[in-house]
Amino acid sequence: GNSVTQMEGPVTLSEEAFLTINCTYTATGYPSLFWYVQYPGEGLQLLLKATKADDKGSNKGFEATYRKETTSFHLEKGSVQVSDSAVYFCALSDGLTGGGNKLTFGTGTQLKVEL
Amino acid sequence: KAGVTQTPRYLIKTRGQQVTLSCSPISGHRSVSWYQQTPGQGLQFLFEYFSETQRNKGNFPGRFSGRQFSNSRSEMNVSTLELGDSALYLCASSFDANEKLFFGSGTQLSVL
Repeated sequence: GNSVTQMEGPVTLSEEAFLTINCTYTATGYPSLFWYVQYPGEGLQLLLKATKADDKGSNKGFEATYRKETTSFHLEKGSVQVSDSAVYFCALSDGLTGGGNKLTFGTGTQLKVEL
Repeated sequence: KAGVTQTPRYLIKTRGQQVTLSCSPISGHRSVSWYQQTPGQGLQFLFEYFSETQRNKGNFPGRFSGRQFSNSRSEMNVSTLELGDSALYLCASSFDANEKLFFGSGTQLSVL
């Protein structure tokens, strides 16, 4: 079955540091890949997505590239801010489930950014 | 445009009871999905409804059920509650398949 593995947290960084959160996946077919972010007390928000190999998703300074050869979708940001503190989830949609919206999520990585 | 609305925000129930959670999607969205979030298991897909029909189902027991109404509002029901059902239940809506999902803030269910 489908699965997503992401690095354990919490990740603690100083403001303006470089961020990488690793994500690898196992899926049949040609999945779409996503990063979602969850702020305290809120639901998930889509951060970025990529639908095919070598696509780069980007938003708010965050980037991730769909690497089919390494089955990875690592999240990066060049300079984090305190406001980026949240839990980040990597997810995939395999597109094989009758055309519906069934996402498989990783366990989430908590990011704490300090001044 | 109003976001996805889930009610109630918090629920406390006892084992053996049943519970109904409600989700109002963004206006115009036809797909509603439900997820269970727990510290141990993370986010797990429950089911998805599209135009009043269940389109996808996750690996949960039959105690978990749902439905969607003609106005796209959805409810999920959990019967014979168990302690392990304590979780944050998230609802997400989208216009159609493979489109951006918009999540609500969730219903926090505690089973005592």
